[in-house]
Amino acid sequence: GENVEQHPSTLSVQEGDSAVIKCTYSDSASNYFPWYKQELGKGPQLIIDIRSNVGEKKDQRIAVTLNKTAKHFSLHITETQPEDSAVYFCAASSSYNTDKLIFGTGTRLQVFP
Amino acid sequence: SAVISQKPSRDICQRGTSLTIQCQVDSQVTMMFWYRQQPGQSLTLIATANQGSEATYESGFVIDKFPISRPNLTFSTLTVSNMSPEDSSIYLCSVEDTLAGEQYFGPGTRLTVT
Repeated sequence: GENVEQHPSTLSVQEGDSAVIKCTYSDSASNYFPWYKQELGKGPQLIIDIRSNVGEKKDQRIAVTLNKTAKHFSLHITETQPEDSAVYFCAASSSYNTDKLIFGTGTRLQVFP
Repeated sequence: SAVISQKPSRDICQRGTSLTIQCQVDSQVTMMFWYRQQPGQSLTLIATANQGSEATYESGFVIDKFPISRPNLTFSTLTVSNMSPEDSSIYLCSVEDTLAGEQYFGPGTRLTVT
């Protein structure tokens, strides 16, 4: 079945710097890759997603890139702010059930003012 | 996106008892999902619940331990039965927006079993 690896597990950046989180997946048939942000005490919030027919997608300070050949995708946050501090999870859809998401292990991002 | 609420938001329970968690969404959805998030860990899918059919459980989760109801298109419950301290987790429901193909999560239920 699908397996998703996520790195790094923790990431500390200075406010205004960029942050990059990377995920790799095992199933070449996966076609949907969302990113979630989870703040302390809250449920995961969908922040951006990408499908396998697109190589990059941007939404203001957030972007996601997908390399289908290498089977990896990345989240890029530019001009980080303290409110970006949270745990970020990547996920990939299961090829045999596209409604099922397999989650990465999470990255704790800390943005220091 | 759908607005999802869960009850209770948190609870402390004695081992051997059962807790039923409710999930309510503000619009009709076909697919609802229940996840478990153990302390400091990632999300693991427990089961998929479609209205009018039996829930589909993932490997490692069984109906006797985690019975699920899905009586209509806006509501579902997950029961954690015969609890042990190992069941202490956050339990999350999510729904799929079929048109957008996206999943949205509720706020979670934080369960502590003593």
